[in-house]
Amino acid sequence: GIQVEQSPPDLILQEGANSTLRCNFSDSVNNLQWFHQNPWGQLINLFYIPSGTKQNGRLSATTVATERYSLLYISSSQTTDSGVYFCAVVGFGNEKLTFGTGTRLTIIP
Amino acid sequence: DGGITQSPKYLFRKEGQNVTLSCEQNLNHDAMYWYRQDPGQGLRLIYYSQIVNDFQKGDIAEGYSVSREKKESFPLTVTSAQKNPTAFYLCASSADRSYQPQHFGDGTRLSIL
Repeated sequence: GIQVEQSPPDLILQEGANSTLRCNFSDSVNNLQWFHQNPWGQLINLFYIPSGTKQNGRLSATTVATERYSLLYISSSQTTDSGVYFCAVVGFGNEKLTFGTGTRLTIIP
Repeated sequence: DGGITQSPKYLFRKEGQNVTLSCEQNLNHDAMYWYRQDPGQGLRLIYYSQIVNDFQKGDIAEGYSVSREKKESFPLTVTSAQKNPTAFYLCASSADRSYQPQHFGDGTRLSIL
C-alpha cells in the first residue's frame, strides 16, 4: 500500500516563529488532507489539497503531486497551534485514507 | 449545525463485555469510516461503508463489527474478541468515495476496567 512519511517528527518553536512541515508519499494520490489534532483529541480539517496551493489565514499548504510531497506552512505561530499535524492520502485505485505518523508541534510562549 | 456526533465521549468496559460506540452524521454524506488511534500513533482504519447496508473491512477489523442500516448512522461494536480495546476511536464521513475530503467527529475514549 501507499506509504506516507512526515517530517520532522517533533518541532519546538517560540511563539511568533514560522514553521514548515513536510509530507512525502510513495504513489500518486487523488486525495490529500492536512489535519490538526488538538490536545483534546479533536481532529480538525486544515486543507484538502491533492494538488496546488491553498491559504487560510496564517496557514498555507502546497502539494506537488508530480514529486509526491506536500508542505504545510504555519506563520507567526501561536500557542494554540500546538498539537499533532497529520497528513493523510488516498492513492489512485484505493479507497482508504492512509495517515502519516504526524508531526508534534509545541509552541512555547 | 451540520456535523458528526460521536457518543459517549468516554466509555469504560469490563473484560468480556461487548460495547457499542455511536456515530451519527447530518451532512447527508454517503461514506462513513471508523478509525482507531493508540497513544502517540496515527489513525488506522477499522471499517468503512460507502452505501447503506454495505461495509468493508479496513486494516484492523478483527474483534470489531459494524452495521449501516441508515445513511446517518454507523455504529461500531467492540466485541470481547478484541484483546486490546483501550484506544481513542474516531468516526468520519465523506460526501462520496474516499477521494472526497473526510470530516471527523470528536471521538470516543474507550478504557478497560
